[in-house]
Amino acid sequence: AQSVTQPDIHITVSEGASLELRCNYSYGATPYLFWYVQSPGQGLQLLLKYFSGDTLVQGIKGFEAEFKRSQSSFNLRKPSVHWSDAAEYFCAVGAAGTASKLTFGTGTRLQVTL
Amino acid sequence: NAGVTQTPKFQVLKTGQSMTLQCAQDMNHNSMYWYRQDPGMGLRLIYYSASEGTTDKGEVPNGYNVSRLNKREFSLRLESAAPSQTSVYFCASSVDRVDSPLHFGNGTRLTVT
Repeated sequence: AQSVTQPDIHITVSEGASLELRCNYSYGATPYLFWYVQSPGQGLQLLLKYFSGDTLVQGIKGFEAEFKRSQSSFNLRKPSVHWSDAAEYFCAVGAAGTASKLTFGTGTRLQVTL
Repeated sequence: NAGVTQTPKFQVLKTGQSMTLQCAQDMNHNSMYWYRQDPGMGLRLIYYSASEGTTDKGEVPNGYNVSRLNKREFSLRLESAAPSQTSVYFCASSVDRVDSPLHFGNGTRLTVT
């Protein structure tokens, strides 16, 4: 069975600083990997996804993520954080053949200080 | 462009009461899902429907029933609510192609006292 670990429950960064959110997955084959963001009181929105090809993927809002098979990781990065990036971020892994039945991590809450 | 609409936004129930959470999508998606979100647990799949007329259990189906009324609507019913069902419930839909993302509603916050 697939699983996802987000080791950081809560992260605080200053506006303008760089950001890296960690995600480690467990899956027997090539995974389908996603990052979603949830703003307060809202549903989740897709930031980016990886299925195959270039291991560095670009998403919306200036985010990127790098798939590293050797480390079973899919970390999310942003070079310069904005106050509006404060939200909860979820990594998810999908089974081959159907990306819709996802297993979500427990989330990382990002706080941005001015 | 409404996307995925959930009603109600908030609900308080007493133990043993029943209620139905409604979800509708206007994106012509085949697949629909119900998740619950609890602190420190992430999102857990309750039920999903790959197409009209079909439903399947997810990770945490006990205490819930679902109905895929038509292609647009997918409801979640709690027959006898329990405090353990206090949670935020999200409906989602997708095309269910291998590269298609989930589209989420804004959630229903349910409290069972």
